[in-house]
Amino acid sequence: AQSVTQPDIHITVSEGASLELRCNYSYGATPYLFWYVQSPGQGLQLLLKYFSGDTLVQGIKGFEAEFKRSQSSFNLRKPSVHWSDAAEYFCAVGRENTDKLIFGTGTRLQVFP
Amino acid sequence: GAGVSQSPSNKVTEKGKDVELRCDPISGHTALYWYRQSLGQGLEFLIYFQGNSAPDKSGLPSDRFSAERTGGSVSTLTIQRTQQEDSAVYLCASSLGREAEQFFGPGTRLTVL
Repeated sequence: AQSVTQPDIHITVSEGASLELRCNYSYGATPYLFWYVQSPGQGLQLLLKYFSGDTLVQGIKGFEAEFKRSQSSFNLRKPSVHWSDAAEYFCAVGRENTDKLIFGTGTRLQVFP
Repeated sequence: GAGVSQSPSNKVTEKGKDVELRCDPISGHTALYWYRQSLGQGLEFLIYFQGNSAPDKSGLPSDRFSAERTGGSVSTLTIQRTQQEDSAVYLCASSLGREAEQFFGPGTRLTVL
């Protein structure tokens, strides 16, 4: 069965520091991969997605993610975190021939000034 | 507004009562999804509507849960004989279809006492 693992429940970084949020997936074929962000009281917003092609994907708000098939990973990165990036981040995989998304349990990011 | 809207934003009910949650998708979006976000859990897929096709109900946790989509637009998620474990945030999303970005609504927070 398909699954998504986000091993870090909570991450704290200082403003200006670099960030990497981990995501590992289990899927038999080429997955569709997504990162969403959920700010307090807000709905989910898509940061970026990978369907095929270049394995380094650029998203909104300065985020990027790299698809590594050999490691079954799709880690999210940002070179310099802003206080407004504090939120919960969800990695998700879409299954072939369907749009249903399977989400990880999320990583809560806290940013200190 | 142009986004996905959900109502009510909050719902408190007593155990055993039925509840209806409403979702208004973005105009023109043919696909509509319901997810559930429980405390400490990721988002759990519930049901998926695509155009006039039969809905994919594979994520519904029990036969107490049902959903309709009338006229290819508004959707209602109904939970009968609510239980305390049904307490969660219920999220609706819509998209233009397969491989298209899902846009999420703000959710309905359901509390079953």
